[in-house]
Amino acid sequence: DQQVKQNSPSLSVQEGRISILNCDYTNSMFDYFLWYKKYPAEGPTFLISISSIKDKNEDGRFTVFLNKSAKHLSLHIVPSQPGDSAVYFCAAMSHGGNQFYFGTGTSLTVIP
Amino acid sequence: KAGVTQTPRYLIKTRGQQVTLSCSPISGHRSVSWYQQTPGQGLQFLFEYFSETQRNKGNFPGRFSGRQFSNSRSEMNVSTLELGDSALYLCASSRDLQVLEQYFGPGTRLTVT
Repeated sequence: DQQVKQNSPSLSVQEGRISILNCDYTNSMFDYFLWYKKYPAEGPTFLISISSIKDKNEDGRFTVFLNKSAKHLSLHIVPSQPGDSAVYFCAAMSHGGNQFYFGTGTSLTVIP
Repeated sequence: KAGVTQTPRYLIKTRGQQVTLSCSPISGHRSVSWYQQTPGQGLQFLFEYFSETQRNKGNFPGRFSGRQFSNSRSEMNVSTLELGDSALYLCASSRDLQVLEQYFGPGTRLTVT
């Protein structure tokens, strides 16, 4: 059973516009949420995280929003750049948990 | 500081064979986790090693095993390979157990024919 879901396999956005990547989860015990970015032939790299005590975390062009009641988080990239084209994974873990649960990924293409 | 390295990068095996994959973590990192990535399932947690001991295990059959050496390098082994084991196997290291930030290697692409 997939406890973390990314329902959009792909997304295309024009350069300079906002990219919004979505992630849903089913386990209300999850306390920490992370986003990873993956280029082809490379491993995922950590992008940004948020804990359940917050509803927003910002780092430069990247902002993650958490809606606990809806069990939903989203990653906003503003403005989008061609170098942002990659696969984005969301991941979640519960406090004291023993593993990360990853979504299936969303492939973002930023069109110049 | 060198990143996480994995060897080999690509591997082709036949059903029924076994395979060993290797992972060298970032210097100073003591925790190593392994993941299987497939198109339909995303990244799925296999196991985590810390101080040469398996600390956590995902929901995979016993054909998947691993170990960690005193220098924190880790290996994973898959015995009696099945076609469904074809995947990208990713290793991630972190400074300690339950540290949120993991650093991933480039992965080993295993193809089972």
